[in-house]
Amino acid sequence: GAVVSQHPSWVICKSGTSVKIECRSLDFQATTMFWYRQFPKQSLMLMATSNEGSKATYEQGVEKDKFLINHASLTLSTLTVTSAHPEDSSFYICSAPVFSGGAREQFFGPGTRLTVL
Amino acid sequence: AQSVTQLGSHVSVSEGALVLLRCNYSSSVPPYLFWYVQYPNQGLQLLLKYTTGATLVKGINGFEAEFKKSETSFHLTKPSAHMSDAAEYFCAVSAANQAGTALIFGKGTTLSVSS
Repeated sequence: GAVVSQHPSWVICKSGTSVKIECRSLDFQATTMFWYRQFPKQSLMLMATSNEGSKATYEQGVEKDKFLINHASLTLSTLTVTSAHPEDSSFYICSAPVFSGGAREQFFGPGTRLTVL
Repeated sequence: AQSVTQLGSHVSVSEGALVLLRCNYSSSVPPYLFWYVQYPNQGLQLLLKYTTGATLVKGINGFEAEFKKSETSFHLTKPSAHMSDAAEYFCAVSAANQAGTALIFGKGTTLSVSS
């Protein structure tokens, strides 16, 4: 199956700094990728849709100036958490859709654990 | 609009017992339905999916689910639980074959397995 990687797998940063998380499709091209956030013991909430060659689409309530998304190529999307604060601490997961067996399936990255001190 | 409701945030079973995790969905268009498993501090692993065709879907690790349109349900079952099945399980829905559509997840069900 298709593989999606994320880097880093975990990061600890000080409040006020910016953190970049990378999401890569390793063996396929993805014109669209999705970014989710998962708080402890909670479900995955869609943050934004990353589109190659155009602006990301953000879900209601997600600050686009705080969570910068850049879909730099057909295999790479980055999420930058700007001026991070402790409430941004979360598990961030990306996914990319692949057509498999005549249907579309999402492949998820392993996630990035962000802790803001 | 689409949504998913997972009944029961926590299910406890004994090893060897039947596992039943409930999922109901709402969708204004034909849905694709998924079950994922997540172990602590890890990403999501696809257990099984329903797209079209046979309504009884078999997945990995002995899990299966049945799509019941009349009941808008997609419950996950396993005949005999193993200790290794203890994890968080998420049901998800997406619009069938619509490019650029993300998954909508339920709140998850924590499965505990006791010996």
